[in-house]
Amino acid sequence: GAGVSQSPSNKVTEKGKDVELRCDPISGHTALYWYRQSLGQGLEFLIYFQGNSAPDKSGLPSDRFSAERTGGSVSTLTIQRTQQEDSAVYLCASSRSADTQYFGPGTRLTVL
Amino acid sequence: EDQVTQSPEALRLQEGESSSLNCSYTVSGLRGLFWYRQDPGKGPEFLFTLYSAGEEKEKERLKATLTKKESFLHITAPKPEDSATYLCAVRGVGGYNKLIFGAGTRLAVHP
Repeated sequence: GAGVSQSPSNKVTEKGKDVELRCDPISGHTALYWYRQSLGQGLEFLIYFQGNSAPDKSGLPSDRFSAERTGGSVSTLTIQRTQQEDSAVYLCASSRSADTQYFGPGTRLTVL
Repeated sequence: EDQVTQSPEALRLQEGESSSLNCSYTVSGLRGLFWYRQDPGKGPEFLFTLYSAGEEKEKERLKATLTKKESFLHITAPKPEDSATYLCAVRGVGGYNKLIFGAGTRLAVHP
């Protein structure tokens, strides 16, 4: 079956611009997560959505980062006024409730 | 604070040379230890979940084991296609469902 999909696969932007990253989870998965993977570092948790519950935003690094999940399915991660330190691979994962997380291919963001 | 440390950072093996990767962890109430494989330019691919000390899981040339403080990923007679970065992650009681990842072990298997 179809896995987690993310778009775009690559995004190059200029410092100060806003970007939107999209995640389509596996059908039927109620939980959705965003992680960030910087060069040479482990995956860093950003935000977690579970059904209609309030999201766990504890991993967002600053108020320039926000995410929403519409209709319990597709999610968008928005970074406002991008900075060079935001350059990283942004990974989305989904799971059935508290089950194993399955990851998408990621979006590589480069801020010039 | 929940923490995961993986060693070694990088490992070079000859084809057929068995070895083990280590994942040491501290977590408040383990609710699962996860192993993933990540190829360059791709997202992590799920391998195993372990929940309690003494548990073991196997898949082809890979075997994962778990104690109260660490997990090992044993690779038996590896092949070049096993070359990848192997990631370990834990889920604790206090962290809702988020995973805490280690930095990974880069494995290179040469013919």
